[in-house]
Amino acid sequence: EAGVAQSPRYKIIEKRQSVAFWCNPISGHATLYWYQQILGQGPKLLIQFQNNGVVDDSQLPKDRFSAERLKGVDSTLKIQPAKLEDSAVYLCASSLFLQGGAGELFFGEGSRLTVL
Amino acid sequence: AQSVTQPDIHITVSEGASLELRCNYSYGATPYLFWYVQSPGQGLQLLLKYFSGDTLVQGIKGFEAEFKRSQSSFNLRKPSVHWSDAAEYFCAVGEIQGAQKLVFGQGTRLTINP
Repeated sequence: EAGVAQSPRYKIIEKRQSVAFWCNPISGHATLYWYQQILGQGPKLLIQFQNNGVVDDSQLPKDRFSAERLKGVDSTLKIQPAKLEDSAVYLCASSLFLQGGAGELFFGEGSRLTVL
Repeated sequence: AQSVTQPDIHITVSEGASLELRCNYSYGATPYLFWYVQSPGQGLQLLLKYFSGDTLVQGIKGFEAEFKRSQSSFNLRKPSVHWSDAAEYFCAVGEIQGAQKLVFGQGTRLTINP
């Protein structure tokens, strides 16, 4: 079974530039998550999708971050304009939707962003 | 809101020694608890999870964890560590409201001395 795919693995940009990350979840997984992991910290949820609808985006900095999941499959996370503090690893995860929410999250390898 | 505390930022143990990584959580209802491991440059891999039932859960790679409701803890243990266990370990609590999402602790970095 193929895992969660993410690209690019690494990206270096200058502040105020834009960047986009792509995620393809495990086939059949209805729920997709984007987490931000700053060096030395645990992952923090940015946005959660259920199929192509947003379940939770309360911690997404909406003035600069946007995400979409067209057709309920793959997803794109965009940052525009980037700030120095956006330097982090962006992790995508997916899970089956189970009533009661007990599905396991499967993570991709992440996209490491460096903002100079 | 739920939260997870991992008191130890960095732990060093000798190969073959026993290991215990601490995790405390704050959550109003019965928690769903997880331990994930992250090797350098890799994503997170699930080691084990607790949903209900037996409070001692077994995971992959010889790890186990014990849920103690009275102490709000979910400590990870391994009787004898291997050099390949060097990694970052994250404890997480699952919030179950409609669809699951995880709240992670800050992580514990494990170093193994030969």
